[in-house]
Amino acid sequence: GQNIDQPTEMTATEGAIVQINCTYQTSGFNGLFWYQQHAGEAPTFLSYNVLDGLEEKGRFSSFLSRSKGYSYLLLKELQMKDSASYLCAVREDSNYQLIWGAGTKLIIKP
Amino acid sequence: SQTIHQWPATLVQPVGSPLSLECTVEGTSNPNLYWYRQAAGRGLQLLFYSVGIGQISSEVPQNLSASRPQDRQFILSSKKLLLSDSGFYLCAWSEVGPLHFGNGTRLTVT
Repeated sequence: GQNIDQPTEMTATEGAIVQINCTYQTSGFNGLFWYQQHAGEAPTFLSYNVLDGLEEKGRFSSFLSRSKGYSYLLLKELQMKDSASYLCAVREDSNYQLIWGAGTKLIIKP
Repeated sequence: SQTIHQWPATLVQPVGSPLSLECTVEGTSNPNLYWYRQAAGRGLQLLFYSVGIGQISSEVPQNLSASRPQDRQFILSSKKLLLSDSGFYLCAWSEVGPLHFGNGTRLTVT
């Protein structure tokens, strides 16, 4: 079956680093996506991994290991505005639909 | 560049009333279009997706329907709303890459 797991909630301190993990079990794989969703707003695209390794975009990095069915999103130099939910999603081979995780609510404390 | 417009932003409707939410995309041709619903504190639930004009796939049986009368227009409808239809409705588009979401419509059925 299809399954994506990520922690429900995490807390981190302003200025620190946090790693949000995502594990997946799908029948195929054609890319993994990370989205940020602030409360009451639509998700916005953060990163896309289709090959193993690390993709870096400013303060945000995303890592993928296809053999382990594992990804993480790394946020550095945390700011209060990073308080949001972070959604992991996987695209299977067969179509363009995404399988979504339930999201990780990240709380940043001063 | 591509943009997606979704309206209205908020809507309060009585039980049993009809619904029509509209979404349009600019700057791209023949995009994949999606309607998602997100209940409070929950993950994203795919309702409908479309790979072309007049082609609609339904993921969840319910009292909602979708139509794509033009290449870049996607409409979500209901003839009679239920209380359980309350939620945050998101339209999205994609080509080969990630999904891009509209700002969403917060629907409250009273």
